[in-house]
Amino acid sequence: QLQLQESGPGLVKPSETLSLTCTVSGGSISSSSYYWGWIRQPPGKGLEWIGSIYYSGSTYYNPSLKSRVTISVDTSKNQFSLKLSSVTAADTAVYYCARHIARVDTAMVIGWFDPWGQGTLVTVSS
Amino acid sequence: SYELTQPPSVSVSPGQTARITCSGDALPKQYAYWYQQKPGQAPVLVIYKDSERPSGIPERFSGSSSGTTVTLTISGVQAEDEADYYCQSADSSGTPNWVFGGGTKLTVL
Repeated sequence: QLQLQESGPGLVKPSETLSLTCTVSGGSISSSSYYWGWIRQPPGKGLEWIGSIYYSGSTYYNPSLKSRVTISVDTSKNQFSLKLSSVTAADTAVYYCARHIARVDTAMVIGWFDPWGQGTLVTVSS
Repeated sequence: SYELTQPPSVSVSPGQTARITCSGDALPKQYAYWYQQKPGQAPVLVIYKDSERPSGIPERFSGSSSGTTVTLTISGVQAEDEADYYCQSADSSGTPNWVFGGGTKLTVL
């Protein structure tokens, strides 16, 4: 059974870089069928897709966050990572990683997230 | 930017049918997906590709699509179905962008 687990600091200072890692177990991150994504949820609010990566390193980012986001993959460790720079209090959220079952071509764009990690709360505060 | 619109809340009595809608201009061309999120837990996929149900999801969960609106239907609602429900789809008008609706709180009276 595929499982994902987020890890990283729970507190980040304003203007610094948020860094999280997602470890995948029960399956290979190098599967040709899947992307791997990050989604966040501010306290009491809805879900926001941050970005996704393929095992080859190909990425898609949310246009509203693209200038601050970097997602990378380490296939040797079965992990992928998120970096979000210049954080503010508005970046305080539970950050989830998830398998992103996606297909992108000239004809269509489809994709959904399943399963999800348990999530980790990151607070931006001095 | 592309938006998916959901009602903030829906209330039903146990045993009744709950219908949660999600509207978006691209939905006639894009599949919709539905997630259930209980307090303090991660979201769980309950419907994919408009109407497909993942293994392990009860048959009382179903999905449908009509024009710019998709609907999650929960038949014979149970107390355990009380949760937030989010629709999700994709925006292919430019660089691919996966979008969530604002969420609907389902209350079982």
